[in-house]
Amino acid sequence: KAGVTQTPRYLIKTRGQQVTLSCSPISGHRSVSWYQQTPGQGLQFLFEYFSETQRNKGNFPGRFSGRQFSNSRSEMNVSTLELGDSALYLCASRRQGEGDTQYFGPGTRLTVL
Amino acid sequence: GIQVEQSPPDLILQEGANSTLRCNFSDSVNNLQWFHQNPWGQLINLFYIPSGTKQNGRLSATTVATERYSLLYISSSQTTDSGVYFCAVELPGSSNTGKLIFGQGTTLQVKP
Repeated sequence: KAGVTQTPRYLIKTRGQQVTLSCSPISGHRSVSWYQQTPGQGLQFLFEYFSETQRNKGNFPGRFSGRQFSNSRSEMNVSTLELGDSALYLCASRRQGEGDTQYFGPGTRLTVL
Repeated sequence: GIQVEQSPPDLILQEGANSTLRCNFSDSVNNLQWFHQNPWGQLINLFYIPSGTKQNGRLSATTVATERYSLLYISSSQTTDSGVYFCAVELPGSSNTGKLIFGQGTTLQVKP
């Protein structure tokens, strides 16, 4: 069974631009969560989607948004990029909800210049 | 909010040595996972262990939920074990679904 995939793997943008990252979950998994990892803040939860609905959201500004499609693939968007948005963005999928293991993709490394 | 604390923050071992990594958490949890982050950034699942003991090869983990801690044991360490080890917890309740809270990690270096 294929693992979680994320595209692109690397991205360089400039301040003020916007970016869209994509995540394809493991087949049969309906829940997708997104995380941001930075050296200063560590790994922080962004949001979680299940059956095309956002179930939970972390403490990030409204510039960070996401969505989930009917095939469970998910995208996250960051608008008006700031230097501090440079980070590794990880998504994770799992079958349903509580009690299930989250499996992580390889991440997208975003650099904002 | 819940605190997840890992110790030690850094660990240097000689190949073949054993080690114990600890994760303390300040509240009851639904889910606890251990991960190894490889040099390319991917988080590799090691254990899903909200309670009890599990073993997988040279690695084993124990979570004592009533005392709010988990231990990851690495025996006969190899250079490929180097990297950052994270524990992460999920709180109960629908408002916490899908939200893993991570510790700051333990950076392990195994020298040949």
